Amino acid sequence: QVQLQESGPGLVMPSQTLSLTCTVSGGSISSGYYYWSWIRQPPGKGLEWIGYIYYSGNTYYNPSLKSRVTISVDTSRSQFSLKLSSVTAADTAVYYCARSKLYDFFDPWGQGTLVTVSS
Amino acid sequence: QSALTQPPSASGSPGQSVTISCTGTNSDVGGYNYVSWYQQHPGKAPKLMIYEVSQRPSGVPDRFSGSKSGNTASLTVSGLQAEDEADYYCSSYAGSNNYVFGTGTKVTVL
Repeated sequence: QVQLQESGPGLVMPSQTLSLTCTVSGGSISSGYYYWSWIRQPPGKGLEWIGYIYYSGNTYYNPSLKSRVTISVDTSRSQFSLKLSSVTAADTAVYYCARSKLYDFFDPWGQGTLVTVSS
Repeated sequence: QSALTQPPSASGSPGQSVTISCTGTNSDVGGYNYVSWYQQHPGKAPKLMIYEVSQRPSGVPDRFSGSKSGNTASLTVSGLQAEDEADYYCSSYAGSNNYVFGTGTKVTVL
């Protein structure tokens, strides 16, 4: 079955750019049925959808984060990536990648990776 | 886009039922039959429990059921078991390729 795994730095300096990669295994990232999402969860708080990408490169972002977010895909490596610019302490969160059915659900999820924004 | 409103906590004894509400607006929960529910144990990733309001993925016990009326969706866990103790989040499509999650509910098995 499809599995997702996040990777990237666990500590980012304020005002810098957060960069994470999600590697997809056990299935094709180029499947026409699914989009590939990033979702985050600040410590002790709820979930927030960041955005997603189709294998062709079409992207959609949460309007509240749109000005700072870029999601890209590398189908040859079965990976998709997140860049979040101008980070502050409010961006400290566990970041999850997940497979998304259009308009519908998120499943499965990666295990998540904690990113702390601090000097 | 505001988060969907869920009660902070809910509880029940083993074998009892608990129902969690998820209230949104005409622009999300009320406008689409794309409500999903996720179970999250401490330190773990969320797990899909219900999609499209009332559909159960393969492998999810039939003790979990979902429904919707107007702008409010609900998740019911029947025959509570110890392993059902977790945080639960609803999610809804909100139009224009945007999604919103609920505030989360901590379910305690007494």
